[in-house]
Amino acid sequence: DAKTTQPPSMDCAEGRAANLPCNHSTISGNEYVYWYRQIHSQGPQYIIHGLKNNETNEMASLIITEDRKSSTLILPHATLRDTAVYYCIVINNNNDMRFGAGTRLTVKP
Amino acid sequence: DAGVIQSPRHEVTEMGQEVTLRCKLISGHNSLFWYRQTMMRGLELLIYFNNNVPIDDSGMPEDRFSAKMPNASFSTLKIQPSEPRDSAVYFCASSSPTRGPSYGAGARSSYNEQFFGPGTRLTVL
Repeated sequence: DAKTTQPPSMDCAEGRAANLPCNHSTISGNEYVYWYRQIHSQGPQYIIHGLKNNETNEMASLIITEDRKSSTLILPHATLRDTAVYYCIVINNNNDMRFGAGTRLTVKP
Repeated sequence: DAGVIQSPRHEVTEMGQEVTLRCKLISGHNSLFWYRQTMMRGLELLIYFNNNVPIDDSGMPEDRFSAKMPNASFSTLKIQPSEPRDSAVYFCASSSPTRGPSYGAGARSSYNEQFFGPGTRLTVL
């Protein structure tokens, strides 16, 4: 049980913002939202995580709704190298990370 | 640091043979995770260790699978005997010691960031 729901696929034009949604309506108070991505034939790569505040780093921004039941990962200027499967994961402090099916993002020229 | 190192990168074997997959953690990391990825089932957590101690092995498919950490920086995943349905890409990942929830906002190295190896593609004929 991955506890999250994501669209199976999305397209984005190169240079535009990619907004990837995730629903986690059963999230509990001590659970974080993590995002990883997996580029073809590579291991997953950490992107960002948050608890209840919006977060930003050099890779992406994470917007978490006030009720914490959903979030959006934003890649501000998508490039072809951002084509990957993006996983939204809800996890507490026990390191037990369960990946769902993710969203396959295709960035098109 | 070279990151998480896995060997072999590719393994082709025949049904019934023993298979051993190896993983070297990033120096200083104390948590180790083994995952399996297939088209049908996606990425599944098999087992994870904290400080060389197995914490949760509920994802291990059956008794044919075993994982060990003979020391703090190295782990093996063994399948004996192997079966065609074990064909998959096996990833290991490591993470750094617990920092607690008060991490820096947007910090890339954080409480539960797992660093994945390149994977071992196993084919059992």
